[in-house]
Amino acid sequence: GAVVSQHPSWVICKSGTSVKIECRSLDFQATTMFWYRQFPKQSLMLMATSNEGSKATYEQGVEKDKFLINHASLTLSTLTVTSAHPEDSSFYICSAWTLNTEAFFGQGTRLTVV
Amino acid sequence: SQQGEEDPQALSIQEGENATMNCSYKTSINNLQWYRQNSGRGLVHLILIRSNEREKHSGRLRVTLDTSKKSSSLLITASRAADTASYFCATALLNFGNEKLTFGTGTRLTIIP
Repeated sequence: GAVVSQHPSWVICKSGTSVKIECRSLDFQATTMFWYRQFPKQSLMLMATSNEGSKATYEQGVEKDKFLINHASLTLSTLTVTSAHPEDSSFYICSAWTLNTEAFFGQGTRLTVV
Repeated sequence: SQQGEEDPQALSIQEGENATMNCSYKTSINNLQWYRQNSGRGLVHLILIRSNEREKHSGRLRVTLDTSKKSSSLLITASRAADTASYFCATALLNFGNEKLTFGTGTRLTIIP
């Protein structure tokens, strides 16, 4: 199957700093990328949907200014957690897909804010 | 927000038995997908069923879809210890410019050797 590379796989940062997470589709062009966060023992919560070259669509309750999403090309999307706080600590997962196919997921990024 | 509810939330069965998980959703969909997640890891795609399909098989997996009831089920036959994981259904909406892939609440499956 297709490969989606997410980097970094884990990161620890100080409160107030910003963290950038990259999501790359390595062998296909993704028309759409999704960003999720997952708390322990819970399901994946969709944060936003991004299409290449256009602004991301955020889910209700997700702060646009805090979680900046850039979808610069058909193979790269980034999520920047700005001014991170301990409550932002979570597992973040990206997903890439093309129309009416399965979605391909990155390995996830475990963010810990101290 | 969650599109789907899954039940049961947790399921423990003996190795060799069959495991059935159900997923209900709220809105129209283009397809429904099932995923497995081992603890703290990424997701593994299991099977995709389109809205015009009613049943699909893949190895020991059998998925059904009833769009009139907005529900799906995943059956794992002859379970193995390695099947222990969390299982999620995900519903796909493919409206151009408004694509969504939304996950259900998940079922935690434990296979007892």
